[in-house]
Amino acid sequence: AQSVTQLGSHVSVSEGALVLLRCNYSSSVPPYLFWYVQYPNQGLQLLLKYTTGATLVKGINGFEAEFKKSETSFHLTKPSAHMSDAAEYFCAVSRPNDYKLSFGAGTTVTVRA
Amino acid sequence: GAGVSQSPSNKVTEKGKDVELRCDPISGHTALYWYRQRLGQGLEFLIYFQGNSAPDKSGLPSDRFSAERTGESVSTLTIQRTQQEDSAVYLCASSLVRGRAGAYNEQFFGPGTRLTVL
Repeated sequence: AQSVTQLGSHVSVSEGALVLLRCNYSSSVPPYLFWYVQYPNQGLQLLLKYTTGATLVKGINGFEAEFKKSETSFHLTKPSAHMSDAAEYFCAVSRPNDYKLSFGAGTTVTVRA
Repeated sequence: GAGVSQSPSNKVTEKGKDVELRCDPISGHTALYWYRQRLGQGLEFLIYFQGNSAPDKSGLPSDRFSAERTGESVSTLTIQRTQQEDSAVYLCASSLVRGRAGAYNEQFFGPGTRLTVL
């Protein structure tokens, strides 16, 4: 079985500051890992994913995440926060090639001017 | 092209009533998924459709929950005799095909239906 833990249900950052959202997973097999973003009144949008290969993956809007097997982590970062980054972020895990995603509880990001 | 759409966007109902939630997937997407998001929790998988058959209903929480799909089009999630614990956002997603070896097929999500059971 797969599960995801996101540390911190709310994160507040200043505009221009580093955004760091933490995600740890458990999986009995090498996982596929995902970060989704949900803006108010919109559906979840895929930010980035790790399946195989390079462990540092880059996504949309300047976000990136690094798969660290030894730490069972897939933390999401962005060097400089923008007001438009205010949203809820979800980390998810699946078995390879499986459709069933297991999601974390989400982290709400607010950006201070 | 249009994304996944869901209706209604909000539904308030009284305990014991039945509700129907609708999902229109992206045209051409053969796979469709329903998830539930309760307050403060992550998304829970409910059911998966491939075409109009549902090979995986493992996430449906009780027999009050059912879903159907017409061909490779609209899906309806029905909750009978609603309870207060059914209050949640119900999300639908679609993808081109289910996962196959060496490939990942992105799930595209709709905006959800917020269900409130009084």
